[in-house]
Parts: sequence; C-alpha cells; structure tokens
Amino acid sequence: AQKVTQAQTEISVVEKEDVTLDCVYETRDTTYYLFWYKQPPSGELVFLIRRNSFDEQNEISGRYSWNFQKSTSSFNFTITASQVVDSAVYFCALSEARTGGFKTIFGAGTRLFVKA
Amino acid sequence: DVKVTQSSRYLVKRTGEKVFLECVQDMDHENMFWYRQDPGLGLRLIYFSYDVKMKEKGDIPEGYSVSREKKERFSLILESASTNQTSMYLCASSFRGGQGRNEQFFGPGTRLTVL
Repeated sequence: AQKVTQAQTEISVVEKEDVTLDCVYETRDTTYYLFWYKQPPSGELVFLIRRNSFDEQNEISGRYSWNFQKSTSSFNFTITASQVVDSAVYFCALSEARTGGFKTIFGAGTRLFVKA
Repeated sequence: DVKVTQSSRYLVKRTGEKVFLECVQDMDHENMFWYRQDPGLGLRLIYFSYDVKMKEKGDIPEGYSVSREKKERFSLILESASTNQTSMYLCASSFRGGQGRNEQFFGPGTRLTVL
C-alpha cells in the first residue's frame, strides 16, 4: 500500500537556523513521483518541487534543498538560513504512475515555526 | 496569475442542512479534486473528476457527492451535514496525463463548521 510518513508534527527554530523536514514513503510501484507543497497561513497549498523515482539527483533552489534516497525511501527537505516567511505547514506527497496521478497520497504535514 | 477559487473561506451550517461548496479554476485543467484536511491526518481525497460529468470516488466519499457540469467548475455537496464533517475543504486542479507527474494547484480552502 502507498503511504507517506512525516514523523515531525511541529518544528520550531530561530531565524537563520537550518532545518530539515523528514519524509518517508512506501510504494510498490516502480514509477512514482514525490512532491513537496507549502501551506502558508493563507491556506493555499503551493507546489515546491517534484522528483520522479528514476532521478535520485539532489536539488538545490536558493535556500531550499531536497535529498531523495531510494535506498531509505526518503525525500527530505532542508531549508538553510530559515526566515520568518518560511513559517508554514509543509506536506510531502506521493503519486504513483499506476493511479495516473488521480490518487496522490499526502503526509500529515509538518508545521514549521520560525521565530525572529 | 493562475487561480483556483473557492466560493467561501468560512461557512457555518446546522446539522442536517444541505451544503454546497463551489470551486472554479481558470487553467483549463481536466482534473479537479476535493480534499478534506484534518489535523494529524493530512489531506484525504473525497472525490475527483477527470472530465466534465465524470466523477470518481476517492478515499472518503461517504456523506458527500459532487457535480461537474462545466470544465472549470467542480462542486462538492454535503447532502445532510453532520458535525463530523466539520473540517477544512480544499479544492485542487491539474492537467490530465503525465502518469502522476503533474502537480496540483490548490484553492485557499473553505473552513466549514457544522453545529
């Protein structure tokens, strides 16, 4: 069965600290996609990144970086030098090719507080 | 700027009332989705639609129905609202195809309280 686990319910950091949000997934499919979304206080989830199961290359975008490791079924997200505007709920999600993208599974989310 | 809009940000209804939640997208997306978001549970799929008049049950369809008469509009209906349907409801849309690679675009959500 497909499953996404975000073990950290809430994380609180002080501005400029680095923070890593963990995501562990389960799937039997060989072709799948992993996503991260950000939900700021306004409520609207915003897409951050997608990774497919055949591309384990890590990615860096500004202060954000993602570490995808198939060996541990993990897709972790690191924010470097966190800022107050990073305060949000972050969701990791899994979409299997066999479901055609119709049944994306979301983790429970990690609420990040960044204090000034 | 692409957009998914939802008819209400906050809604308070009484038990037994019929409730309509509306969602409109302007991106010409084929797929549309309704989720509910509850603390500790993440987003759970209620229904989705991949074309006009087409609908499929998600993981928690009980107590809900949907309607998609136009491509841009997807409505969620609570036939007889109950207190356990108090939740945040999120609408999303995406392009069809891509075998799961297409990201979803979300509306701001409707926080529904059933008294």
